[in-house]
Amino acid sequence: QVKLLQSGAALVKPGASVKMSCKASGYTFTDYWVSWVKQSHGKSLEWIGEIYPNSGATNFNEKFKGKATLTVDKSTSTAYMELSRLTSEDSAIYYCTRSGATEGIAHYWGQGVMVTVSS
Amino acid sequence: DIQMTQSPASLSASLGETVTIECRASEDIYNGLAWYQQKPGKSPQLLIYNANSLHTGVPSRFSGSGSGTQYSLKINSLQSEDVASYFCQQYYDYPTFGGGTKLELK
Repeated sequence: QVKLLQSGAALVKPGASVKMSCKASGYTFTDYWVSWVKQSHGKSLEWIGEIYPNSGATNFNEKFKGKATLTVDKSTSTAYMELSRLTSEDSAIYYCTRSGATEGIAHYWGQGVMVTVSS
Repeated sequence: DIQMTQSPASLSASLGETVTIECRASEDIYNGLAWYQQKPGKSPQLLIYNANSLHTGVPSRFSGSGSGTQYSLKINSLQSEDVASYFCQQYYDYPTFGGGTKLELK
């Protein structure tokens, strides 16, 4: 069965960067887009961007260009997201998701990574 | 950006009742709409895609409808396990989500 296992919670200082991982299993990693979604505390969801593991092609929400960097390691079926120049506004839960046949639909979700930005 | 306006923001209903949640897009999204359910402390889960297609394993009491800019999610015969937040999402353009509806039991 499809699983997306994300890395653990992170406590980071303002101005620093954080890199989180999303290890995929149960399917051919290179066949589906992996997206990242932000959920600020008690609020709705924001799509950050997506990466196609086979080619490394990416698409981003304009709001997160320059903030988020998406990469993959095909050898370990793992997707990564790095967030830079962190502020308190970046404190949130971040989910990785996998599309289905249609790009943009989050058929599968990781368990989420809570990022807390605090000095 | 395509803006998604979801209503109501919160909803209280009784067991067995039928519940409807609405979502309006700022422009035509040509049925590129999904609904997700998020239970407290859990990740969202896909319920409906392409406006009216039920995702695998989702109970048939959930249904989606709509077209153009207006879409809705209906839950027939509300069960206790349906207590959750519900989000719509359009994927006609780069994905954007509605503000969510928190469903509680009366």
